[in-house]
Amino acid sequence: AQKITQTQPGMFVQEKEAVTLDCTYDTSDPSYGLFWYKQPSSGEMIFLIYQGSYDQQNATEGRYSLNFQKARKSANLVISASQLGDSAMYFCAMRVGGSYIPTFGRGTSLIVHP
Amino acid sequence: DTGVSQNPRHKITKRGQNVTFRCDPISEHNRLYWYRQTLGQGPEFLTYFQNEAQLEKSRLLSDRFSAERPKGSFSTLEIQRTEQGDSAMYLCASSQRGGEVDTEAFFGQGTRLTVV
Repeated sequence: AQKITQTQPGMFVQEKEAVTLDCTYDTSDPSYGLFWYKQPSSGEMIFLIYQGSYDQQNATEGRYSLNFQKARKSANLVISASQLGDSAMYFCAMRVGGSYIPTFGRGTSLIVHP
Repeated sequence: DTGVSQNPRHKITKRGQNVTFRCDPISEHNRLYWYRQTLGQGPEFLTYFQNEAQLEKSRLLSDRFSAERPKGSFSTLEIQRTEQGDSAMYLCASSQRGGEVDTEAFFGQGTRLTVV
């Protein structure tokens, strides 16, 4: 069975600073994909970034990058130059092998201060 | 609008009543998922369709819950004899196989159910 763990219930960051949101995962399947989603107060889950288990490079999408450390089974999200609009819940998710069903962590609440 | 659409956005119902939610996925997506999210938690998987076939159901999906996806297009999630514990956000998502890899799941804005 696969498991996603997000240990930070809440994080605070100053505007324009960088912040790292932690995610660890557990699976015995060598083929998996890792995702990060943002959920603002409106409720919609917004896809941010994807990392495949066989990808050699860390994924980047604009201000978002994924620090993928396979041996440690971690997939931390780094947001550079935080903006007030980044305040939201952030969820790490994993899809394993032949399953098409993403499993989500409990999320981290990020608050960006001006 | 090319995103995932869910209706209604909000539903308040009395305990014991039946409710039905609708999800319209992105038109070319063949995979459709229902999740439930309670306050302070991540989305929990309920059920999954590939085209019109319901391929997986979570044990969270009690016999009061039923989901359909006729003709592999829109989907409905019905909850019979609602209980206060059913109060949650119900999220629908869809995805498509793109070559060797599935696309990410795209989510709707959810239906927030309150059972009073």
